[in-house]
Amino acid sequence: QKEVEQNSGPLSVPEGAIASLNCTYSDRGSQSFFWYRQYSGKSPELIMFIYSNGDKEDGRFTAQLNKASQYVSLLIRDSQPSDSATYLCAVKVYGNKLVFGAGTILRVKS
Amino acid sequence: DVKVTQSSRYLVKRTGEKVFLECVQDMDHENMFWYRQDPGLGLRLIYFSYDVKMKEKGDIPEGYSVSREKKERFSLILESASTNQTSMYLCASSPYSGSWTDTQYFGPGTRLTVL
Repeated sequence: QKEVEQNSGPLSVPEGAIASLNCTYSDRGSQSFFWYRQYSGKSPELIMFIYSNGDKEDGRFTAQLNKASQYVSLLIRDSQPSDSATYLCAVKVYGNKLVFGAGTILRVKS
Repeated sequence: DVKVTQSSRYLVKRTGEKVFLECVQDMDHENMFWYRQDPGLGLRLIYFSYDVKMKEKGDIPEGYSVSREKKERFSLILESASTNQTSMYLCASSPYSGSWTDTQYFGPGTRLTVL
C-alpha cells in the first residue's frame, strides 16, 4: 500500500504565478516531511523540511503541514522557468528512513 | 557542503554479470541508503545501513546485496544482473542525531543498463 501520494502532473503554471504542490500520507504518526526537487537526469536536492503544523517559509518556498488531515503542500511564489522540475514529497519513518511519493512534474511557462 | 559521490554516472553490463556500485560520503554520516528510481514508481529503498557492517533490507532487496566495511563507503552489489535491474540507482547519506530533521543527501546517481 502506497504511503505517500502525489498527483503526477504535469502541473503547468505561467511564469510569475504561484505553483501549489500537494502530498498526502497514510501514517498518522508521521512527524517530519521533506520536499526535494529533481531536475531531469539529476539527483534529488532538498528544498526544505517541516515538522510542525502550519506554514514554514524559505525565500519563494512555503511548506504547509496539516497533520489532522495528513496533508503537506509546497507553494512556490513567483514561479520561474528554472523551477520546472519534478518535486518529491517524502515522509520520515522509523530508522531515519524516508518514504517518497512518485513526484509531481511542474512546468513553468514563460 | 555534504558531498556524496558515486563511482559511475553511466554503466552498461550484460545479463548475468556481477555489478558493483560504489558510494562514498565525506560528512561522517552514520546512515547510508541505496535506492532505485523508475518512471512512475518514484524512489524505492533497496537497502540501508545505520553503521559500519550493519545493514537492513529495504522494500525491494531481492537480487541485491550490500557491503559497508568503512563508515564513508557503501557498496551495492548485483549478484547476477538481469534486464529488470536496468534503472537509475541513487545513493544517499544522512546523519543520525535522533532529530526528526536529519536529512538525506543524494549522490549524482548511476544509470545502469543491463543488456
